[in-house]
Amino acid sequence: TQLLEQSPQFLSIQEGENLTVYCNSSSVFSSLQWYRQEPGEGPVLLVTVVTGGEVKKLKRLTFQFGDARKDSSLHITAAQPGDTGLYLCAGASNAGKSTFGDGTTLTVKP
Amino acid sequence: KAGVTQTPRYLIKTRGQQVTLSCSPISGHRSVSWYQQTPGQGLQFLFEYFSETQRNKGNFPGRFSGRQFSNSRSEMNVSTLELGDSALYLCASSLGWGMNYEQYFGPGTRLTVT
Repeated sequence: TQLLEQSPQFLSIQEGENLTVYCNSSSVFSSLQWYRQEPGEGPVLLVTVVTGGEVKKLKRLTFQFGDARKDSSLHITAAQPGDTGLYLCAGASNAGKSTFGDGTTLTVKP
Repeated sequence: KAGVTQTPRYLIKTRGQQVTLSCSPISGHRSVSWYQQTPGQGLQFLFEYFSETQRNKGNFPGRFSGRQFSNSRSEMNVSTLELGDSALYLCASSLGWGMNYEQYFGPGTRLTVT
């Protein structure tokens, strides 16, 4: 069974601060996705990374896929209250099955 | 383009009963996946359907079953409900099957078993 560990589990910061969320595994994934989920809603896809070492930027969010395709990070610059939510990483195996991390709950206080 | 829709949004059932949840994918999407989300276990994969065939299955008991229709709409059934089945059930659609296709989630069905 492929496991994805996310850290930290909870994060509470002030508006304007920077933060990094980590997603780690001992398994290799063919691709990895990051989602954000707000209460009462389904997860919304933020990005998909496929190539080892790949870096993608989405406004103030920077996503990196590890060289060995076993880990990933999400960095948010100058966090805003609108960034509040549950951040989930999900890895895809070559068999097509998906594995989700337990998530990081981010709270950005104004 | 309309997003993924799930019905009903909320459901309360009693132990031992059975329940059927429905998911309509984004138009043109042929794959539907189902997930269970609970505070303790996180988001867990149930199964994936593509072209009316189950392509992948997670580690859930046989009480959990699903099917997909020719119009790509999908239903999920849980029989002999247990208290531990209380969860948010999410469906996601994608163009093709497997995680290499981007998944788009619906808002979920909140199931409470009493």
